[in-house]
Amino acid sequence: EDQVTQSPEALRLQEGESSSLNCSYTVSGLRGLFWYRQDPGKGPEFLFTLYSAGEEKEKERLKATLTKKESFLHITAPKPEDSATYLCALGSGGSTLGRLYFGRGTQLTVWP
Amino acid sequence: DAMVIQNPRYQVTQFGKPVTLSCSQTLNHNVMYWYQQKSSQAPKLLFHYYDKDFNNEADTPDNFQSRRPNTSFCFLDIRSPGLGDAAMYLCATSKEEPGGTQYFGPGTRLLVL
Repeated sequence: EDQVTQSPEALRLQEGESSSLNCSYTVSGLRGLFWYRQDPGKGPEFLFTLYSAGEEKEKERLKATLTKKESFLHITAPKPEDSATYLCALGSGGSTLGRLYFGRGTQLTVWP
Repeated sequence: DAMVIQNPRYQVTQFGKPVTLSCSQTLNHNVMYWYQQKSSQAPKLLFHYYDKDFNNEADTPDNFQSRRPNTSFCFLDIRSPGLGDAAMYLCATSKEEPGGTQYFGPGTRLLVL
């Protein structure tokens, strides 16, 4: 069964304190590992897609990496505006094409 | 800018009173999705369309229906809302391809009184 687990559930960082969010997964045929940012009361905002182990992508203070079992979202020198819930989602080739399996998210709070 | 639009952003309805939520897109994607998201939970897929082909998730209650009259628009109908249906409803679109990225609208917050 395809599964996605995110940790920690919540993370509080001081501004400038770098850290990483984890997304571990089991899948029958990876069709993409997706990271989204979700602000309260809004829809998820697409950040990155990773397709194969060893792949890395960066955007401003965020860097996503992928291994065969997990993905990390590294946040370098975060700012208060990075506070949000970060969702990881798995695209599986073993089920309906295009279906995503979402984790429950990591709620990140960055305080000044 | 190409985007996914949802209306209304907030919807208040009464217990048992039918309600319709709408989604439109300018991305020209042929796949559209409806998700339900409750507080601090992962988005839960209700159903999706490949063009006009409707795909219902096995655990989606019969109370939830959907219509897609054309490529750009998709509607979520809740026939008899219960208190447990209060949630954020998210519409998303993607191209029909393996690993296609889903792009989400801003969501509609539904409150059932």
